[in-house]
Amino acid sequence: AQKVTQAQTEISVVEKEDVTLDCVYETRDTTYYLFWYKQPPSGELVFLIRRNSFDEQNEISGRYSWNFQKSTSSFNFTITASQVVDSAVYFCALSVERTGANNLFFGTGTRLTVIP
Amino acid sequence: NAGVTQTPKFRVLKTGQSMTLLCAQDMNHEYMYWYRQDPGMGLRLIHYSVGEGTTAKGEVPDGYNVSRLKKQNFLLGLESAAPSQTSVYFCASTPRQGGQFFGPGTRLTVL
Repeated sequence: AQKVTQAQTEISVVEKEDVTLDCVYETRDTTYYLFWYKQPPSGELVFLIRRNSFDEQNEISGRYSWNFQKSTSSFNFTITASQVVDSAVYFCALSVERTGANNLFFGTGTRLTVIP
Repeated sequence: NAGVTQTPKFRVLKTGQSMTLLCAQDMNHEYMYWYRQDPGMGLRLIHYSVGEGTTAKGEVPDGYNVSRLKKQNFLLGLESAAPSQTSVYFCASTPRQGGQFFGPGTRLTVL
């Protein structure tokens, strides 16, 4: 069975601080994909990143960076120099190739509040 | 491209009423999905479809039915709405190579 755990329910930081959102996943499959989505107060789901299980290189996109470590089954997300616009709920998700359906298994989300 | 659209955006039902939520995508994606989002529970898969004319159950299918008569549309039906179905419903679509595109969501309240 697939499972995604986001242990941090809510995080508050002061603007310009760095913040890391944790994601731990469980799967017995060797081919899988990991995702991060952002859900701002307006409610839509914004795709941030997709990584496959064979690519453990860390990725940086502007102020965002992701650390994928298969040894600890983690896919953590760091926002550098946080801004008020980063305030949102962030979801980590997993899909496995074996099902052939590409459906996502979501964590319960982490609500990030950036205080000006 | 409009991407993934959902109709309606909001709806209030009384217990026992029926309704259909429409999801449409114009990206020629093979796969489509219906999720529900409840506070503190993330998104959970209700039903999905891997192609026109095919559907399958997800994690929480009870009380819902779906149909995929056309590739671009995926309908979610509630035959007899219950308060437990109060939720935000998201539709998504994906091409075979993956990467899900979500609609804006439908907020449903069942009184």
